[in-house]
Amino acid sequence: GQNIDQPTEMTATEGAIVQINCTYQTSGFNGLFWYQQHAGEAPTFLSYNVLDGLEEKGRFSSFLSRSKGYSYLLLKELQMKDSASYLCAAGRSGSARQLTFGSGTQLTVLP
Amino acid sequence: NAGVMQNPRHLVRRRGQEARLRCSPMKGHSHVYWYRQLPEEGLKFMVYLQKENIIDESGMPKERFSAEFPKEGPSILRIQQVVRGDSAAYFCASSPLPGQGVSYEQYFGPGTRLTVT
Repeated sequence: GQNIDQPTEMTATEGAIVQINCTYQTSGFNGLFWYQQHAGEAPTFLSYNVLDGLEEKGRFSSFLSRSKGYSYLLLKELQMKDSASYLCAAGRSGSARQLTFGSGTQLTVLP
Repeated sequence: NAGVMQNPRHLVRRRGQEARLRCSPMKGHSHVYWYRQLPEEGLKFMVYLQKENIIDESGMPKERFSAEFPKEGPSILRIQQVVRGDSAAYFCASSPLPGQGVSYEQYFGPGTRLTVT
């Protein structure tokens, strides 16, 4: 089966750092995606990890541990516009290429 | 380079009517995915298509829902005899062929918000 868990809500202050955790259990795992989704809009791609370790891209970094079934998204120097839902999704290998999404973490950045 | 396009953006249907949702993938992408997002919930996979082929429809309800991706034209998700529980945002995503860039990265369209009254 497929199971993705992430916190429902988080709050942080502008300029701070926040870490959003995600644990997963999927068959045929082939990579972990993070998407950002503002209310009423389409999800936009943030990062993709297939190997263990940290991937850094500007203010956003993503980490993966395959042995632990664990990932996190790290957001630095938070800005008000970072207030959004952050979706963790596991990719599957082979012909089944769909993504299995968690329910999303609603991040609120306060001034 | 235009992104994934979906239309209509908003669709209102009465119970029992048919809903047709259209999706044009990004230029050069040949894989299309449909997802459904209920209010306050995550995206749920419905179906994965390539041109003229349904690859995986394991997330599609067994009745009333169908999808196609013809040789020419957009992909279409069809919902027959809609019910209130079908009210949701339906997102389409596309990706390139394996081996071209990040093969699993999916680009999402703006979604169609279906309201069944």
